[in-house]
Amino acid sequence: ETGVTQSPTHLIKTRGQQVTLRCSSQSGHNTVSWYQQALGQGPQFIFQYYREEENGRGNFPPRFSGLQFPNYSSELNVNALELDDSALYLCASSLVGGGLTDTQYFGPGTRLTVL
Amino acid sequence: ELKVEQNPLFLSMQEGKNYTIYCNYSTTSDRLYWYRQDPGKSLESLFVLLSNGAVKQEGRLMASLDTKARLSTLHITAAVHDLSATYFCAVLMYSGGGADGLTFGKGTHLIIQP
Repeated sequence: ETGVTQSPTHLIKTRGQQVTLRCSSQSGHNTVSWYQQALGQGPQFIFQYYREEENGRGNFPPRFSGLQFPNYSSELNVNALELDDSALYLCASSLVGGGLTDTQYFGPGTRLTVL
Repeated sequence: ELKVEQNPLFLSMQEGKNYTIYCNYSTTSDRLYWYRQDPGKSLESLFVLLSNGAVKQEGRLMASLDTKARLSTLHITAAVHDLSATYFCAVLMYSGGGADGLTFGKGTHLIIQP
């Protein structure tokens, strides 16, 4: 069974730039959620994708957007980067609709630094 | 708005001792999770608690859920150094359109000293 993978591992951008982060879900999972974890804080929910559509969103502005592909992998796009966007971005996959406990399994994360 | 509070936020304890981490949440929840995070690493799922009175144990860790009190506890028995990590509780609530994301507490940074 393949776990959740994310790329890249680390990324450095400057203010105003745009960034795309990628996530491959765990085998058998159909839902991907994205979280932002600032240093010393708990993860904060950005949004979730199910059947290639956004299925729930946290308190993040529209410059945070995403995609889910037919193979259930996903992208997180952030436009007009701000210094406060520096964080660890975590992707989590889960199985929805299968009658299971719907635990979200997390990938290793992408560390984004905005200068 | 769902709020999740953990305490303590920082805990230093000696090997062999017992301790409990508390997680309070503000509204009715569908599920409660405990995760572990090692420094610079991702989150590892420990437990999922589905119903009132649920208790789960794995090794020296035991988690319980009281939905009436909106309280979950993570109990550590005879702590060992390898349990040093940050522990998060997280609550899942379903919205009308499908599953919402997890709302996390701030985490409990646990250091276990020899």
